[in-house]
Amino acid sequence: QITLKESGPTLVKPTQTLTLTCTFSGFSLSTSGVGVGWIRQPPGKALEWLALFYWNDDRRYSPSLKSRLTITKDTSKDQVVLTMTNMDPVDTATYYCAHRLESKSFDYWGQGTLVTVSS
Amino acid sequence: DIVMTQSPDSLAVSLGERATINCKSSQSVLYSSNYKNYLAWYQQKPGQPPKLLIYWASTRESGVPDRFSGSGSGTDFTLTISSLQAEDVAVYYCHQYYSTPRTFGQGTKLEIK
Repeated sequence: QITLKESGPTLVKPTQTLTLTCTFSGFSLSTSGVGVGWIRQPPGKALEWLALFYWNDDRRYSPSLKSRLTITKDTSKDQVVLTMTNMDPVDTATYYCAHRLESKSFDYWGQGTLVTVSS
Repeated sequence: DIVMTQSPDSLAVSLGERATINCKSSQSVLYSSNYKNYLAWYQQKPGQPPKLLIYWASTRESGVPDRFSGSGSGTDFTLTISSLQAEDVAVYYCHQYYSTPRTFGQGTKLEIK
């Protein structure tokens, strides 16, 4: 049974760096074809893809946010970490992590964590 | 970037009637090597994460009721709910995973008439 759970601060100040952790179970990030992605959703708005970490350690980022994003993994803890620098109020959103397969894209999602950017 | 455009933005359908949501991609998402369309449909209810309904444009995810179906190829796709149930009230998103950056449609809000 695949599960994912996001954790991190609920409130960050403008210009601060956000660090979010996705803790997963039920699969291995070393299995060919598997990935973990991050997607966000501002309140009342659409989904926006941020980053992907692949089984082969390849990483992909949204071009519009690439300069601010870093995605890494901690294999010993079955975690994927996303950092986003220079946070702004427009980055206020629910941040989701999700399990990815080539065939299905994001098939399992965490419940999401709401991050508010405010001074 | 591949831009995904859904229509309509909102839709009200009577219980038991058919609901149809369209999605158009700015470039083809058909992969020529395996003839698969890298297009998925998600359902999102308030306060919940998106739920995968359809992948490869027309393959229903395990456990999804058969009243949900997907069709289309290349750049034009459709999600159809054959007989609307009360629990189908949600926002629906199309999503292309053909190329990076992955992109989603703006969403279609489905309500009961």
